[in-house]
Amino acid sequence: AQKVTQAQTEISVVEKEDVTLDCVYETRDTTYYLFWYKQPPSGELVFLIRRNSFDEQNEISGRYSWNFQKSTSSFNFTITASQVVDSAVYFCALSEADNAGNMLTFGGGTRLMVKP
Amino acid sequence: DSGVTQTPKHLITATGQRVTLRCSPRSGDLSVYWYQQSLDQGLQFLIQYYNGEERAKGNILERFSAQQFPDLHSELNLSSLELGDSALYFCASSVTGERETQYFGPGTRLLVL
Repeated sequence: AQKVTQAQTEISVVEKEDVTLDCVYETRDTTYYLFWYKQPPSGELVFLIRRNSFDEQNEISGRYSWNFQKSTSSFNFTITASQVVDSAVYFCALSEADNAGNMLTFGGGTRLMVKP
Repeated sequence: DSGVTQTPKHLITATGQRVTLRCSPRSGDLSVYWYQQSLDQGLQFLIQYYNGEERAKGNILERFSAQQFPDLHSELNLSSLELGDSALYFCASSVTGERETQYFGPGTRLLVL
């Protein structure tokens, strides 16, 4: 069965610091998809990125970057020069291609607090 | 704004009651998903519909049921409510329901007293 672990339940940084959120996953499938979602204090879930298991290229989008390593089953998320607006709960999620449908299995989330 | 709408935003009810949560997917999306977010269980997948048919089922209680209508909107019915059903219920949608990004609505916050 698939599983996603976000070992860091809470991280606190000061504005402009870099911060990395860890995500480790377990799956028996060779084809799967990994996601990151952001949940700001207002409560909605905002999609950030989707990665398939065959694409191990790291991705950068502005201050956000993602490091996907199949060898360690990790999909870590780094925010560079953090800002107060980055304060949110961040969820890593996994979807297995062999499952009927498209269900997401979420990690427990990491609460990021960026202090001014 | 993801384009997924959910009503109501907040719902307060009593134990034993029944409520209906409504979701309208993004324009063009055929698949709808329901998730429950609670403090003790985290974010859990409940059920998925594709073009009116049930596609996948997760940890959905027997007291809960859902359906997707011909206009593609979906309803999640929660009955015989218990205190533990208090949670944030999310709806998400995607185009075909296979190997895709799901876009989430703002959620319905349910409080059972």
